[in-house]
Formats: sequence, structure tokens, C-alpha cells
Amino acid sequence: AQTVTQSQPEMSVQEAETVTLSCTYDTSESDYYLFWYKQPPSRQMILVIRQEAYKQQNATENRFSVNFQKAAKSFSLKISDSQLGDAAMYFCAYRTGTGGFKTIFGAGTRLFVKA
Amino acid sequence: DTEVTQTPKHLVMGMTNKKSLKCEQHMGHRAMYWYKQKAKKPPELMFVYSYEKLSINESVPSRFSPECPNSSLLNLHLHALQPEDSALYLCASSQDSDYEQYFGPGTRLTVT
Repeated sequence: AQTVTQSQPEMSVQEAETVTLSCTYDTSESDYYLFWYKQPPSRQMILVIRQEAYKQQNATENRFSVNFQKAAKSFSLKISDSQLGDAAMYFCAYRTGTGGFKTIFGAGTRLFVKA
Repeated sequence: DTEVTQTPKHLVMGMTNKKSLKCEQHMGHRAMYWYKQKAKKPPELMFVYSYEKLSINESVPSRFSPECPNSSLLNLHLHALQPEDSALYLCASSQDSDYEQYFGPGTRLTVT
């Protein structure tokens, strides 16, 4: 069975600084997808970034980028130039690439941004 | 339009009540999901509908009854709930199985 581990329950970053959230996963599959979702205190979960396992290039979305290390089964999220609006719970998630519908979420990392 | 809507936003119900949660998407997505989320925890999958057919039921108690009237709508019928069922109920949709999910804002349910 696949598992997703986020070892940092909470992180804190100064506004305009860079922060990296860690995520590791375990799977025997070669085809899968990885995601980072953000859930602000207002609660709506939104997709931050998506990575296909077959792609070697790390995904980027504006200030958000990932460091995808397939062999190490690591998928960290880097937030550059942190903003107050980045404060949220961040969930790392895994989804099989073989037609399954289940998304396995990590326990989440609460990010605080200090002004 | 990348929006999933849910009604109501808040619901308080007694243990003998019957109520329904509603979810709607107009993105042409063929998969829709119900999740339960407790405070400071990740979402837990309850049900998945694919092409309007129940695809996954994660051993959810029968007091929760999903319904998918058409490809845009998803309901969750609630009956004889317990206080421990109080949670945020999230609806999501995806184009198909290989695609990311879009989440609605959720319904905050309190069972008294």
C-alpha cells in the first residue's frame, strides 16, 4: 500500500523569505502523480502544483516549485518570496497512475508566515 | 470555470434528523468524490462516483447515502448521524481518474 509522510507538523517563515516543506512517499508503482494542495483557514482546498512521475523536470508554478527525487521517493515544495496569503495547511498527496481514483494524503504541514 | 459548489455551508442537525448535502460542478468532470475532514487532519475518502456510477465506497456507515442524479450533481443523504460524524464534508471532482481533483468549499456539519 502507498503511504505519504509529512514529517513537519508546523513550519514558520518570514515574509519574503523562502521555505521548503518536506514530503516522502512509499510506493512500488512506477506510474503515479504527486500533488501539493493548500488549505487556507477559510478551508477551501486548492491545487498548488502537480508532478507526473515519468517527468524528470521539476514542476513550477510561479513562486512554487518542487524538488522531485524519484529514486529517493521525495517530493518537497519550495515557496519563494513568501506572502501572508501563503499561510495555510499544505497537504502532499499521491495518486496512482493506473486508473485509480484514490488520492492518498499526507498528514499536512501548517505553515505560518510572519510579517 | 473551475468551481465546485456545495450547499449548505453550515448544517446543524439532531441525531434523528434527515438532511442532504449537495455538490455541483459544471466543468464536465466525470468523477466526483465525497470526503470527510476532521480538524487539522487530511481528508478521508468516503465515496467516488465515476460516470455517475458508484466506484468506491470506503466502508462508510449506511447512515451516509450518496446519490449522483447526473454528471454535474452529487448528493450525500444523512440519517441518524452520531455526534462523532461532526466534521467538514468536502466534495471534489476530477476530469477522470488520472487528473487532479478540484475541491468545493465544504459543508461544516455539526450533529447534536
